[in-house]
Parts: sequence; C-alpha cells; structure tokens
Amino acid sequence: DAGVIQSPRHEVTEMGQEVTLRCKPISGHDYLFWYRQTMMRGLELLIYFNNNVPIDDSGMPEDRFSAKMPNASFSTLKIQPSEPRDSAVYFCASSFPRRGTEAFFGQGTRLTVV
Amino acid sequence: RKEVEQDPGPFNVPEGATVAFNCTYSNSASQSFFWYRQDCRKEPKLLMSVYSSGNEDGRFTAQLNRASQYISLLIRDSKLSDSATYLCVVNRGGGADGLTFGKGTHLIIQP
Repeated sequence: DAGVIQSPRHEVTEMGQEVTLRCKPISGHDYLFWYRQTMMRGLELLIYFNNNVPIDDSGMPEDRFSAKMPNASFSTLKIQPSEPRDSAVYFCASSFPRRGTEAFFGQGTRLTVV
Repeated sequence: RKEVEQDPGPFNVPEGATVAFNCTYSNSASQSFFWYRQDCRKEPKLLMSVYSSGNEDGRFTAQLNRASQYISLLIRDSKLSDSATYLCVVNRGGGADGLTFGKGTHLIIQP
C-alpha cells in the first residue's frame, strides 16, 4: 500500500486566492482526519470523517475553511479566501474502523500564503 | 489546563544516555494513548502505543498513570538517530474519535 497520499506537497499562493488540498486515504480505512500544524499551536484536528460523513468539524477555524469527502478514496480541504495566517503544514491521516487506533499520516502539504 | 501538555525541550542528551519524557492529559475519559515520533519536516509516525500495564519495545518503555493522568516515555542507550520530536497523543475520549496531540518534546542526541 502506498500509504496516505496528499497533494500538492508545497503550495505558495497569494492572499485572497482559493486553495484546495487533496488527500487519498489508505484503502479500507473508514476514518479520515485533517490536521494543521504550526509552531505556535502544534497539531490541531480540523475535521474528521467516518465512512465519508463529516462527524466533527468543530476544529475548523472559520467559514473560509471547508472539507468534503465525496467517496472513500478522496477528500479535499478548501480555503477560500486564503489569508497569511493560514500558512501551516496541513496533514491528512486515516485509520482503521475502530476508535482509538493508530492514525497514519500523509506527508503533508506545506502551505504558504503571501 | 491544556488537553495534552509536554515539556517542549529541547533535551540535549549525550549518546548512550537514558532520557525520559512525561506528558499530562486533562480528559479523564481518554482511553487510548500513544507516543508518536516526528522528524524534521516529516509527518508524525507511531512510535508505540501505551498500555495500562506499561510496555516495552526494545530500548523504549512507555508507562501510563491513569490516577495522575500522565504518560511517560523512557529511552535507554540513546542513539543519534533518536533525535526527533516526540509527540504525546491521547484519543479525544467521551466517545469522540480522533487523536489529540501534544506539541511535542524536542530531543537532540549529541555524539
């Protein structure tokens, strides 16, 4: 298995532009998580899905952020419009269909908004 | 109180020494505990799960104290390759899924 695949690996965009981050979870994993990592705040859970359904989006910073999971093998995190304070590394992770099990992370997308 | 708290370090330790980290968590409903390792500019990866009875994996030993709500990680005979950030992780508890991460403890093993 190729593991969790994220794209792009790096993204540099101007303030106000729309940014879309993509994730392909490990096949057979029912849970998908989006995390954001910054030096100041560490790793923060933004939203997670179970069987493609958003379960908890309380970590999403504001309405500029949205996430979708149209099928079991694909998810997107969109920021519109982007702001400099959104600059961070965004990780997608997936896990087996049982609570509290190990989460497998993708390599992350390093987002810079200028 | 933060959900998961760790000493950020850095811990500068000579090669071959023993080093220990602690981590405290606030949610008494948490049921699963882990240590993850994150190398510079890489994704976090599971180092080991933490069981109530304590567990060992080679040079690494993890302990859980539910009464005091803390987790520990001990590394014996440290290697240069152990240099990384160690993240304390607990599940969100109360039936919620997802993992809550500490900010990590930065470990530097010096030759």
